[in-house]
Amino acid sequence: AQTVTQSQPEMSVQEAETVTLSCTYDTSESNYYLFWYKQPPSRQMILVIRQEAYKQQNATENRFSVNFQKAAKSFSLKISDSQLGDTAMYFCAFTLTGTASKLTFGTGTRLQVTL
Amino acid sequence: DVKVTQSSRYLVKRTGEKVFLECVQDMDHENMFWYRQDPGLGLRLIYFSYDVKMKEKGDIPEGYSVSREKKERFSLILESASTNQTSMYLCAATPSFWDSGGYTFGSGTRLTVV
Repeated sequence: AQTVTQSQPEMSVQEAETVTLSCTYDTSESNYYLFWYKQPPSRQMILVIRQEAYKQQNATENRFSVNFQKAAKSFSLKISDSQLGDTAMYFCAFTLTGTASKLTFGTGTRLQVTL
Repeated sequence: DVKVTQSSRYLVKRTGEKVFLECVQDMDHENMFWYRQDPGLGLRLIYFSYDVKMKEKGDIPEGYSVSREKKERFSLILESASTNQTSMYLCAATPSFWDSGGYTFGSGTRLTVV
């Protein structure tokens, strides 16, 4: 079975600063996808970034980037130039390719962006 | 804009009641999912369906059942609600069995069982 671990239950960052959220996972498979989802107080889950395991290049979406270390089974999210609107729960998630897209989630990191 | 709609944002039910949580998607997606979200536990898969009338158990199916009579609708059923089923329930949909990543989530139903 696959597992996803987020070891930081809560984090805080000042506006305009950079913060990194950690995620590790465990699988014996080689073909999979990794995701970071954001859940603001509105509760709507929003896809932040997606990484395909076969791609060595780290995914980037504007201020959001990942550090994907396949051998170490690590998938951290870096948020640059943090904004108040980044305040949310962040979930790391994993799915094996071709498994009807069943996602396995981590326990989440609550990020607070302060002035 | 594609949508997954959950019929209730908040729901309060009594212990022993039969509870229906409804989810409708307008995207013609094949796969639909029900997750439960609890603090410190993240999201856990209850049931999923990859076709009409098809269903598979997820990681925590005990106490729940599902129904998918039409492609666009996926219902989660609590046959006899208990207080330990008080939680946030999230519905999601993805295009197909082989699609890995096109998740669209509903905005959740917060269920309280008293």
